[in-house]
Amino acid sequence: SQTIHQWPATLVQPVGSPLSLECTVEGTSNPNLYWYRQAAGRGLQLLFYSVGIGQISSEVPQNLSASRPQDRQFILSSKKLLLSDSGFYLCAWKGQGKYNSPLHFGNGTRLTVT
Amino acid sequence: GDSVTQMEGPVTLSEEAFLTINCTYTATGYPSLFWYVQYPGEGLQLLLKATKADDKGSNKGFEATYRKETTSFHLEKGSVQVSDSAVYFCALDMNTGFQKLVFGTGTRLLVSP
Repeated sequence: SQTIHQWPATLVQPVGSPLSLECTVEGTSNPNLYWYRQAAGRGLQLLFYSVGIGQISSEVPQNLSASRPQDRQFILSSKKLLLSDSGFYLCAWKGQGKYNSPLHFGNGTRLTVT
Repeated sequence: GDSVTQMEGPVTLSEEAFLTINCTYTATGYPSLFWYVQYPGEGLQLLLKATKADDKGSNKGFEATYRKETTSFHLEKGSVQVSDSAVYFCALDMNTGFQKLVFGTGTRLLVSP
């Protein structure tokens, strides 16, 4: 069966520090991968998605970036965190070419920038 | 652009009460509609979905009907349990071939014994 792992679960970082959140998927190949952010009192905002290794699409301009160095690995990064980067970050995957199939989410990373 | 509007929470109910969480959407085409549930400390799980008008999605006693005329997808359950306490998200997908869900802000449900 397929599983998705996301870490760390919680993170407290000072303003201006770098960030690296990692997500890996097991039990499937060539998935579509996504990073969402959930800010307090707001819905889920799609940040990045990827259809393959090295292929990243950005939905929202910001100081975050994403990379996909391997088929089932998706990394969210920042060189210098801002207070506004605080939130709950969710990684998700979906099978390629499967319309109307659901997104499968990881358990999320709660990031607090102080 | 495409959007989803959910009722403000929290919704507070006693066990065995009837639940309705309202969801309306704005879309230029014919989206698929989803309800996701987020239990405390966890990621989101798909609860149910409907892919065309008049479809009814159902799972774990929850139901929602895709109403094109009112652009709505309200979530209902006849008798809630304490274990249903969670945050519920309504979402749409425009079926563009690459699924980019648009989510509502979520509605927190609190069920007391």
